[in-house]
Amino acid sequence: GENVEQHPSTLSVQEGDSAVIKCTYSDSASNYFPWYKQELGKGPQLIIDIRSNVGEKKDQRIAVTLNKTAKHFSLHITETQPEDSAVYFCAAMTTDSWGKLQFGAGTQVVVTP
Amino acid sequence: GAVVSQHPSWVICKSGTSVKIECRSLDFQATTMFWYRQFPKQSLMLMATSNEGSKATYEQGVEKDKFLINHASLTLSTLTVTSAHPEDSSFYICSAMDRGNYGYTFGSGTRLTVV
Repeated sequence: GENVEQHPSTLSVQEGDSAVIKCTYSDSASNYFPWYKQELGKGPQLIIDIRSNVGEKKDQRIAVTLNKTAKHFSLHITETQPEDSAVYFCAAMTTDSWGKLQFGAGTQVVVTP
Repeated sequence: GAVVSQHPSWVICKSGTSVKIECRSLDFQATTMFWYRQFPKQSLMLMATSNEGSKATYEQGVEKDKFLINHASLTLSTLTVTSAHPEDSSFYICSAMDRGNYGYTFGSGTRLTVV
C-alpha cells in the first residue's frame, strides 16, 4: 500500500520568512496530492492540491510542487504570518483506492512574530 | 465550496453507553464518506469507508461491531461508538468525497470523552 513520509515534524519560522514542508510517497500510481491545515480542535482544511499531470500550482502565498520521478511533493508558504501557525498534513491518493487518502505524519508550524 | 457538517462537536459519555456522530454533506451528494480517528499530536487514521446503500468497509484492526457505520442517504453518514470505554476517547473526523472533482472535504471533528 501507499506510504507517505513527511518532514520536518516541527518547523519554527520568523514572521515574513518562508516555510517548506516535504513529503515523499511510495506508490507510483498515486495521482492526487492534497495539503491540509489543521488548527487545534478542528478538522483538516484543504489549502491546496495538485494532480499528477501538473508539476506546480500556486495560490497566493501557497505553492505546491510535484516531482513524479522522485515521488516527492512539497508545500511552500511565503511571507509567513502568525495565523499560518498550525499542523500541516500532506496526503496522497490513487484513483483505484476508492478515494482513500494516505496521510503524512504532520508538521507543526510555528510562526513567531 | 463544499461543506461537511459534523455533529456533535464534542460529547462526554459514561463508560458502557453508546454515542452517535453525524456527518452531513450540505451542498453535494457524497456516495462515499470516510471516518477517521486522531489521537493527540498524531496523524489521521482511517477507520472505515462508508458507501451509500451498502456496508461500510473497515480498515484492518478496527472493530466493526464497536464502530457501527450507517450511510443511508447521499448526504448523511453516522458513526455509532457502541459500549464506549475510556480508550475510545479520541477526536473523530469524517470526510466526504465529491467524486465529480476528487474534492475531499472534512467535517469539523467530534471530541469524544468517555468517563
